[in-house]
Amino acid sequence: QKEVEQNSGPLSVPEGAIASLNCTYSDRGSQSFFWYRQYSGKSPELIMSIYSNGDKEDGRFTAQLNKASQYVSLLIRDSQPSDSATYLCAVDWAGGTGTASKLTFGTGTRLQVTL
Amino acid sequence: DGGITQSPKYLFRKEGQNVTLSCEQNLNHDAMYWYRQDPGQGLRLIYYSQIVNDFQKGDIAEGYSVSREKKESFPLTVTSAQKNPTAFYLCATREPGEESYTFGSGTRLTVV
Repeated sequence: QKEVEQNSGPLSVPEGAIASLNCTYSDRGSQSFFWYRQYSGKSPELIMSIYSNGDKEDGRFTAQLNKASQYVSLLIRDSQPSDSATYLCAVDWAGGTGTASKLTFGTGTRLQVTL
Repeated sequence: DGGITQSPKYLFRKEGQNVTLSCEQNLNHDAMYWYRQDPGQGLRLIYYSQIVNDFQKGDIAEGYSVSREKKESFPLTVTSAQKNPTAFYLCATREPGEESYTFGSGTRLTVV
C-alpha cells in the first residue's frame, strides 16, 4: 500500500511569514510529486510539481524534494490571508511500462494565515 | 472553453437507490479518474480509465461502477451496495505526456 503522510494541522502563521508544509511518502519508486491547494468546498488546483532532488521555485512558492529521505515540502513566502486553504501532497508512481499513472494523495494540511 | 464538467453539483440519494454522477470533458484527454473525498480527508481513487472501453478499479471500487463508451464521458454510478456514499466526488483528467491532473468542480452526494 503506497502511503502519503501529512500533518493535518491547522498550521497557523501570521501574514508575511513563511509557511512550511511537509509530506512523507512510503514508495521509494515514486517519481513525481505535486502540491495542490484546495479551498473549502472547491476542487484541488495544482500549485507545484517537482521531479528531481533539490528545490524548485515559482513565485512565492518553493517545493523541496529529498528522495533519499522520502520527503517533499512546500514553502510559502510572504504568506497572505488568501493562502488560507488545505494543501494536498500527491505522489505518482508509474510502475513501469504500460502501467497506468495514478496519484496517491495525503490527507492535507490546513493552513491558516492570520492578520 | 476547454474543461471538465461535473453534474449535478449537489445530489441527494435515498437509501437503496442507485445514482449516476456525470463527468464530461472537452480537453481531448485519454486518461480520466474518479476520486472520493470525505470531510478532513484526502482523495481516494475509485476507478480510472486510460482509453475508451477500458477502465480499472482503484483503491475503493466496491459499491461503484463506471463506463467509458466515449472519450469525452466517464460516468460514475454509486450503487446501493455502497454503504456510506455521502462524500465529495471529484472527476479528473490527465493530459498526455503530463503527470498532473485537472479536476472538475465536483459533486457533493448526500444520503437522505
